[in-house]
Amino acid sequence: SQKIEQNSEALNIQEGKTATLTCNYTNYSPAYLQWYRQDPGRGPVFLLLIRENEKEKRKERLKVTFDTTLKQSLFHITASQPADSATYLCALVYGNNRLAFGKGNQVVVIP
Amino acid sequence: DAGITQSPRHKVTETGTPVTLRCHQTENHRYMYWYRQDPGHGLRLIHYSYGVKDTDKGEVSDGYSVSRSKTEDFLLTLESATSSQTSVYFCAISESINYGTSTDTQYFGPGTRLTVL
Repeated sequence: SQKIEQNSEALNIQEGKTATLTCNYTNYSPAYLQWYRQDPGRGPVFLLLIRENEKEKRKERLKVTFDTTLKQSLFHITASQPADSATYLCALVYGNNRLAFGKGNQVVVIP
Repeated sequence: DAGITQSPRHKVTETGTPVTLRCHQTENHRYMYWYRQDPGHGLRLIHYSYGVKDTDKGEVSDGYSVSRSKTEDFLLTLESATSSQTSVYFCAISESINYGTSTDTQYFGPGTRLTVL
């Protein structure tokens, strides 16, 4: 069966450090992968998109990698700040133009 | 929230009653989606639409129906609500699906919290 796995445990990290989140998937062959941020009580907000032929993508303090051989994406927040505290979701395109989302990984940045 | 509104924002209803949730967009985007989000399950696609009167089922469509008579409105109906449909419902829109372009991103509404007693 198809699965998208993100760590269910919250990541607690000291301000200024780099937070790294993992998204693993099985039985998908996505043309691209996206990362979203979700704050409590709000809808997800798009952050980054990376294509299957791209190894790495950056946006300000965010960096995403995509390894189609390992079926894995890593999401990095460098120089983390308390405002980065949120839940981060990975999403894969599949089937007829649909996105499948992981369950999300919570990040807590400690001042 | 990218010109997306959902109504109502909160609703409490009783088992067996019909419920309709509305998603309204001002972006003129072609694609619209309904998701539910539950602890331990994440976001799951209920139904989606790829144009006026064009809809298709998602992974958890049982017990739900949708309609899209205008580009800007996408309605989700629970014909006879059950307690298992207690959830937070999100609507999303997308400009187009073009595999790996910036227009593939989905923009989400603020959500509707539905409680079925």
